[in-house]
Amino acid sequence: DAKTTQPNSMESNEEEPVHLPCNHSTISGTDYIHWYRQLPSQGPEYVIHGLTSNVNNRMASLAIAEDRKSSTLILHRATLRDAAVYYCILRDPPGTYKYIFGTGTRLKVLA
Amino acid sequence: KAGVTQTPRYLIKTRGQQVTLSCSPISGHRSVSWYQQTPGQGLQFLFEYFSETQRNKGNFPGRFSGRQFSNSRSEMNVSTLELGDSALYLCASSLAGISGNTIYFGEGSWLTVV
Repeated sequence: DAKTTQPNSMESNEEEPVHLPCNHSTISGTDYIHWYRQLPSQGPEYVIHGLTSNVNNRMASLAIAEDRKSSTLILHRATLRDAAVYYCILRDPPGTYKYIFGTGTRLKVLA
Repeated sequence: KAGVTQTPRYLIKTRGQQVTLSCSPISGHRSVSWYQQTPGQGLQFLFEYFSETQRNKGNFPGRFSGRQFSNSRSEMNVSTLELGDSALYLCASSLAGISGNTIYFGEGSWLTVV
């Protein structure tokens, strides 16, 4: 079964970089790694996704290990608005829209 | 561009009743999926619809059902409500058809069963 493991919580100071790790040792060779975040009282929001190589967008960067069994979401400069629960997600079966959410990492940003 | 719209946002039901939740996907999106979020179980996949057909189903009892209409709008129904069905129900839509394509969530419907 597709499964991800993340730390329960992390803290960061405002305007500092944040590295959120995720282990996904059961990932199949063809599945993407997706990251979403959920702010209080809102639905999850797409952050980034990738397959093999590192990915960047306006919100974050995604660093994927060479063996693809782990990845790290990088927020380059955390702001108070980045405080949320961050989910690293696989799909099971791969390529479908059945997202398997883990428990996520609650990120606290300190002013 | 309007996002995923879910109605109602909040509702309270009594045990044994049934409830229907509605979801309007982003215009042009043909895949709609539903998730249940509770403090104890987190986010769990219920089912996904594409072109009015259920493509994937999670591990929920038959009391949970859904459907999709020709305009891609979707509804989910829970019959014989139990206290444990109290949760945030989230709908997500996607263009579909492209591997790696992302899904976009609505703000959810908060269901309280008393």
